[in-house]
Amino acid sequence: DIQMTQSPSTLSASVGDRVTITCRASQSISSWLAWYQQKPGKAPKLLIYKASSLESGVPSRFSGSGSGTEFTLTISSLQPDDFATYYCQQYNNYWTFGQGTKVEIK
Amino acid sequence: QVHLQQSGPGLVKPSQTLSLTCAISGDSVSSNSAAWNWIRQSPSGGLEWLGRTYYRSKWYYDYAISVRSRITINPDTSKNQFSLQLNSVTPEDTAVYFCARAQYNDYFDSWGQGTLVTVSS
Repeated sequence: DIQMTQSPSTLSASVGDRVTITCRASQSISSWLAWYQQKPGKAPKLLIYKASSLESGVPSRFSGSGSGTEFTLTISSLQPDDFATYYCQQYNNYWTFGQGTKVEIK
Repeated sequence: QVHLQQSGPGLVKPSQTLSLTCAISGDSVSSNSAAWNWIRQSPSGGLEWLGRTYYRSKWYYDYAISVRSRITINPDTSKNQFSLQLNSVTPEDTAVYFCARAQYNDYFDSWGQGTLVTVSS
């Protein structure tokens, strides 16, 4: 199994801050990585696929980068609607998720 | 625009079978490009892929090793839906269960609303 490790587990930030979340894979997954946003009581929502491709309808303040084993999700200017939990997920070999990063209000 | 609507009981007794259904609109369970998945989220938040079915001239099934001996996913072409059955459940199977679409081996681009299933007597 490919293990996915996110850091940090919790992130405290203010509206307008630049936020970066890191995801590491236990082996190379090329660019087969997606990022999701989840709010309480809701299903995960796709933000980024193939490491850096923005899903249709997702604001451009979200961006993804990386390849191989190290990836980042960046929110360029945090908005009130962005306080949520974010998950990375590899789809190189079956599907596994990171443990999540909760972005909370500072 | 695909929409996935889940249904099924929220409470199952230990040792019994968990059964959920996911009705599809805006796509077909027999699509030659999509795969239909079940994923669950534990109370602590961890997401776990459970299995999938897809059609490529015949039906295929893949299951996670962790549940392979207990899981069945079935398509129902007459109702354009697919189902999850998980046998011999224990309290460790308590989770929110999601159905989701993937374009074959890709990421999950559409999700059902989720169903909290509690395993308790």
